[in-house]
Amino acid sequence: RKEVEQDPGPFNVPEGATVAFNCTYSNSASQSFFWYRQDCRKEPKLLMSVYSSGNEDGRFTAQLNRASQYISLLIRDSKLSDSATYLCVVRGYGQNFVFGPGTRLSVLP
Amino acid sequence: DAGITQSPRHKVTETGTPVTLRCHQTENHRYMYWYRQDPGHGLRLIHYSYGVKDTDKGEVSDGYSVSRSKTEDFLLTLESATSSQTSVYFCAIRDQDSTDTQYFGPGTRLTVL
Repeated sequence: RKEVEQDPGPFNVPEGATVAFNCTYSNSASQSFFWYRQDCRKEPKLLMSVYSSGNEDGRFTAQLNRASQYISLLIRDSKLSDSATYLCVVRGYGQNFVFGPGTRLSVLP
Repeated sequence: DAGITQSPRHKVTETGTPVTLRCHQTENHRYMYWYRQDPGHGLRLIHYSYGVKDTDKGEVSDGYSVSRSKTEDFLLTLESATSSQTSVYFCAIRDQDSTDTQYFGPGTRLTVL
C-alpha cells in the first residue's frame, strides 16, 4: 500500500460545480497535512495547510479525519483557473514529507 | 515568493557525464530539499539538508550526492548521469516559522541521452 493515495482522476467538471478530492495516508503518526496545486510544467504551490478542526479559505475547504487517516479538499463554485493537479502531502517523522501522486482537475467552460 | 531559484532551468546531457544542479535561497532557511518528479510518481525526496554541511539521504538517493557549504546554496550532483535520472528536479525550503510549509523552486528539467 502506498503511503499517500489520492483519487486517480482526472476530474472534468463544468464551471460553477463543486468538486471534492480525497486522500488517505498510511502512517498514523503523521504530523502535518497539506494540499498543494501544481500547474502544468510548474512547481507545486501551497494551497492550504490542513488542521484537525478543518479549515476554509474562500471557496476551498479542507478536512482532516485522523481516526480514518483521511484528508479531503472541497472546491466550491469552480473556476477555469482552478484547473490544475492537486497534491496531497503528509509529513511523518523528521523530514519525511510524502507526496501523493496527485489528482488532475479540468474545469470546463 | 520564497526567494528560491534553480539553475540551470533546462539541461540536456549524455550518459556518464557529471551534472550539478544549483538551488539558491535568499531567506536564510535552515532546511533545504531536493526532489525529483516523474510521471506516475509523486515527488520523491532525494536528499535534504538541515544546515551548513549537514545533509541526509532521502528515499531515492542512489546515484546522487549533495553539498551545502553556505546557507543559501544547496547543490545536487549526479556523479555519472544515467537515462533513469531524466526527470524534473525541484528544490524546496521549509519555513519553520509558518506551519512547517515547504516552498518550491521553479524546477530543472534534465534530460540524459
